[in-house]
Amino acid sequence: DAKTTQPPSMDCAEGRAANLPCNHSTISGNEYVYWYRQIHSQGPQYIIHGLKNNETNEMASLIITEDRKSSTLILPHATLRDTAVYYCIVSRKDDKIIFGKGTRLHILP
Amino acid sequence: DVKVTQSSRYLVKRTGEKVFLECVQDMDHENMFWYRQDPGLGLRLIYFSYDVKMKEKGDIPEGYSVSREKKERFSLILESASTNQTSMYLCASSLFWEEAFFGQGTRLTVV
Repeated sequence: DAKTTQPPSMDCAEGRAANLPCNHSTISGNEYVYWYRQIHSQGPQYIIHGLKNNETNEMASLIITEDRKSSTLILPHATLRDTAVYYCIVSRKDDKIIFGKGTRLHILP
Repeated sequence: DVKVTQSSRYLVKRTGEKVFLECVQDMDHENMFWYRQDPGLGLRLIYFSYDVKMKEKGDIPEGYSVSREKKERFSLILESASTNQTSMYLCASSLFWEEAFFGQGTRLTVV
């Protein structure tokens, strides 16, 4: 079973920051938070991952709360091409990755 | 560009046929995975492999087997295809789960 809870869908205006929340209250100390997204008719695409510090790359930022029970993926300037299903996943580095239902993000023009 | 290539984008097979879905990666990754994706059920792990000739069952292995004779190739086998195996099949590879790369998927229809 997936260890995360995400809202089923969200809307965001084009050009604004998209903030996608994820709850993972049972996360263990050696488990990472990963984010993937899946654009329609394509395979999932890795976005970012982190353990306890905030992380940023060219695609997004990941903010993890101090107690590690929740996190937020931030797409700083959403475009129409960011419309996708976003998956938050908790896993050890040496373990299989289990996908939940994800959040369907709609970017509105 | 890193690549995970699945042999077919679309496939139609008859009930009872033996079906092979092939996946090849060019990144020298140890880990390879097979998922299926169905509406309302999301992505579910069928099998994964951490090394050549090694395999582990995922959440829904029934009705499937796998083969990994070479590091770059991971095959999913449906021994006797059934209509409830109609689905989108996705292959992935990774190096210690730093970042998993997925193929484009094979949409299999069993009639």
